[in-house]
Amino acid sequence: GQQVMQIPQYQHVQEGEDFTTYCNSSTTLSNIQWYKQRPGGHPVFLIQLVKSGEVKKQKRLTFQFGEAKKNSSLHITATQTTDVGTYFCAGKGQAGTALIFGKGTTLSVSS
Amino acid sequence: NAGVTQTPKFQVLKTGQSMTLQCAQDMNHNSMYWYRQDPGMGLRLIYYSASEGTTDKGEVPNGYNVSRLNKREFSLRLESAAPSQTSVYFCASSAYSQGSYGYTFGSGTRLTVV
Repeated sequence: GQQVMQIPQYQHVQEGEDFTTYCNSSTTLSNIQWYKQRPGGHPVFLIQLVKSGEVKKQKRLTFQFGEAKKNSSLHITATQTTDVGTYFCAGKGQAGTALIFGKGTTLSVSS
Repeated sequence: NAGVTQTPKFQVLKTGQSMTLQCAQDMNHNSMYWYRQDPGMGLRLIYYSASEGTTDKGEVPNGYNVSRLNKREFSLRLESAAPSQTSVYFCASSAYSQGSYGYTFGSGTRLTVV
């Protein structure tokens, strides 16, 4: 079945450093979505990418969707302590009807 | 708007007991989902309902049943709880299951089976 893999599993940075998490799918995706989960909280939708090669920005966050629509990345510039949490990518195959989530990347930030 | 409401928030069960996790959304969404989250395993889909009157199995359906009671409500039932079902359960909804729609998650039910 479809698998969505994320690396790294954990990342610790100093405040102000950049952070990137990568997502790879075993199949071509119709779209990819990114979610953030704060410690003890629930996943919160951040963004979705639909088009091949698409790049979207939200303030310090940059999201990319690969040309082959099988990979994606989230880059955070100049991390802040408020960025702490687990970032999940999730995708659906061309005929999929429910999101399959990656295992997430947990980001910790020290000041 | 309350969004997606899950009850209860915490539950401890003994092995073999049964229980139903409740989920309701007030966003007029057509599609609803149940996921479980275990440490290091991400979110795994248990069951989903693309629209009222339909339900389908996800990645890990064994030991669970679901009911789409109406457009608003989607319940998850454990008939005979096992320690392996200790997890955090999240309900989510989206406008439609087809196409590109973000999910809105509830705050979760933390279930421990002893």
